[in-house]
Amino acid sequence: AQKITQTQPGMFVQEKEAVTLDCTYDTSDPSYGLFWYKQPSSGEMIFLIYQGSYDQQNATEGRYSLNFQKARKSANLVISASQLGDSAMYFCAMREPYNFNKFYFGSGTKLNVKP
Amino acid sequence: EADIYQTPRYLVIGTGKKITLECSQTMGHDKMYWYQQDPGMELHLIHYSYGVNSTEKGDLSSESTVSRIRTEHFPLTLESARPSHTSQYLCASSADRGQSTNEKLFFGSGTQLSVL
Repeated sequence: AQKITQTQPGMFVQEKEAVTLDCTYDTSDPSYGLFWYKQPSSGEMIFLIYQGSYDQQNATEGRYSLNFQKARKSANLVISASQLGDSAMYFCAMREPYNFNKFYFGSGTKLNVKP
Repeated sequence: EADIYQTPRYLVIGTGKKITLECSQTMGHDKMYWYQQDPGMELHLIHYSYGVNSTEKGDLSSESTVSRIRTEHFPLTLESARPSHTSQYLCASSADRGQSTNEKLFFGSGTQLSVL
């Protein structure tokens, strides 16, 4: 079964608007970590935000926030006030510490910010 | 911020050649990983290492091999490159703090390999 599912292959958003990128995950471990990475066209992977399974509050990092709904097993990334430089691939990932500390990545969402 | 380096950044090579993709990190991380990624697609784990002299195959079968003789160095080798090996190869590392969940992956800038 897919550990991480990203159902939006591509998204468009108008500059300065907010956008939500969806991510659902599958795990039976009570302890896990959820991550979002950005991959611009240059290819490097840039860490954006982290959410732990026991964290009571949703994580925020500047314009990025994570809408964590544990019962639904979803960890959506919200980007506020989109900028042209936000155009990139976005990957959701999960770390399972009791499963050899493996990272699982989703298939990614290609975000295009329109001027 | 990332102290993990991959060389070369781009490599174009003919079929049958032996190649080694270099990856080094200066953060003292025990765990290192190699991912393969086709353009616009997901990352596939092909190799990982828990430390010196430890290497494991990942979820995606690969004809490449790796070695971990030093903590900071995790090279990937293809004995005989083929066009099907054309892809981006991303090296990553993370700290090892027991069963913690918040240790993120630090990525290198990747090697784009094209086999003609």
